[in-house]
Amino acid sequence: KNEVEQSPQNLTAQEGEFITINCSYSVGISALHWLQQHPGGGIVSLFMLSSGKKKHGRLIATINIQEKHSSLHITASHPRDSAVYICAVTGNQFYFGTGTSLTVIP
Amino acid sequence: NAGVTQTPKFQVLKTGQSMTLQCAQDMNHNSMYWYRQDPGMGLRLIYYSASEGTTDKGEVPNGYNVSRLNKREFSLRLESAAPSQTSVYFCASSEGVQRELFFGSGTQLSVL
Repeated sequence: KNEVEQSPQNLTAQEGEFITINCSYSVGISALHWLQQHPGGGIVSLFMLSSGKKKHGRLIATINIQEKHSSLHITASHPRDSAVYICAVTGNQFYFGTGTSLTVIP
Repeated sequence: NAGVTQTPKFQVLKTGQSMTLQCAQDMNHNSMYWYRQDPGMGLRLIYYSASEGTTDKGEVPNGYNVSRLNKREFSLRLESAAPSQTSVYFCASSEGVQRELFFGSGTQLSVL
């Protein structure tokens, strides 16, 4: 059972490209989280949102509650954005996607 | 602010050995969690503690025990390690399930 599905699983982009990572979920939620994990590193929270859109620097997260879908956008991508991006949702517990591995090539 | 501190960062065990992973948070969070992360799989919950003095099983509790020593500390014990427990382990904490999740830096465990 996969309560949270992410696409694509892997993504390679040229520096400067606009990137979109998608997340769909099947459970009722109170919030959705986007997390970032650098190779060999810990996991940090990028966004927590329950409606609409949030922006932080070059990162934008959107959520459509009716469609049970969220997107994470990265504008003007940079090699330092290379990481695994994980979507998680909270209902009565946390549910995690398997992550999208992003590589940005200079 | 240290946030969530997890030790050790790396550990190699032989089958049958025991060890304890330590986790402490300084954010006064009620909820603490232990997850394991395996290739191709999402983070899977081993045990969680909703508040001091309570612990509950998650999705994959077999082979593990936990102790919520106080509000700050939540340890994970492997009594008799097995190769299937080779994984990366993360401790996390939050104000509650409806709030932001903070992670430790992870423990890479290999069981030979």
